[in-house]
Amino acid sequence: DQQVKQNSPSLSVQEGRISILNCDYTNSMFDYFLWYKKYPAEGPTFLISISSIKDKNEDGRFTVFLNKSAKHLSLHIVPSQPGDSAVYFCAANRGYGQNFVFGPGTRLSVLP
Amino acid sequence: EAGVAQSPRYKIIEKRQSVAFWCNPISGHATLYWYQQILGQGPKLLIQFQNNGVVDDSQLPKDRFSAERLKGVDSTLKIQPAKLEDSAVYLCASSSLTGIPDTQYFGPGTRLTVL
Repeated sequence: DQQVKQNSPSLSVQEGRISILNCDYTNSMFDYFLWYKKYPAEGPTFLISISSIKDKNEDGRFTVFLNKSAKHLSLHIVPSQPGDSAVYFCAANRGYGQNFVFGPGTRLSVLP
Repeated sequence: EAGVAQSPRYKIIEKRQSVAFWCNPISGHATLYWYQQILGQGPKLLIQFQNNGVVDDSQLPKDRFSAERLKGVDSTLKIQPAKLEDSAVYLCASSSLTGIPDTQYFGPGTRLTVL
């Protein structure tokens, strides 16, 4: 039972354009969400988070949107840069101290 | 600040052999996690420690996997005996009780290949 889904295994975007990565979840008890970025041969690194009391959180070029009724969140990267090419994981938990469930990841390729 | 250290980075063994992985978390981080990441999937939690006590090991295959965190600092994860399906990257992560809530800092992982 996959509680966190990232239905696009890969995405290619032109440099300078917007990248939109999507994540869907099935557990309505999830109320805290993270995005991680992973380069080859490295561990995932934290990118941005959002709590269920918000519908948007922004950090520089990265914005995460949360639609609780649709159980959907998205990560927007504007503008996309070649260095953003990586695998992006969405993760969710049921609250502080609870364990995270990770999605399978989306591989983003930003083309120069 | 030094990151999470893991060793070895790569390991190749034959099925039914034993293997051990080591993790040293970020200094001062009370919580330590071991994850298994199979190719094409997201990380799956195997075990979580708070200091040297186990918080959650519900997904740890206890007939073959064991983990310990002596003195609440570094940790070892052992597989004995290994099966083909254990081929994966084993990630260690740590987190602090302060700072950004629930943010986990990952090590580079150990890639295990079981032949």
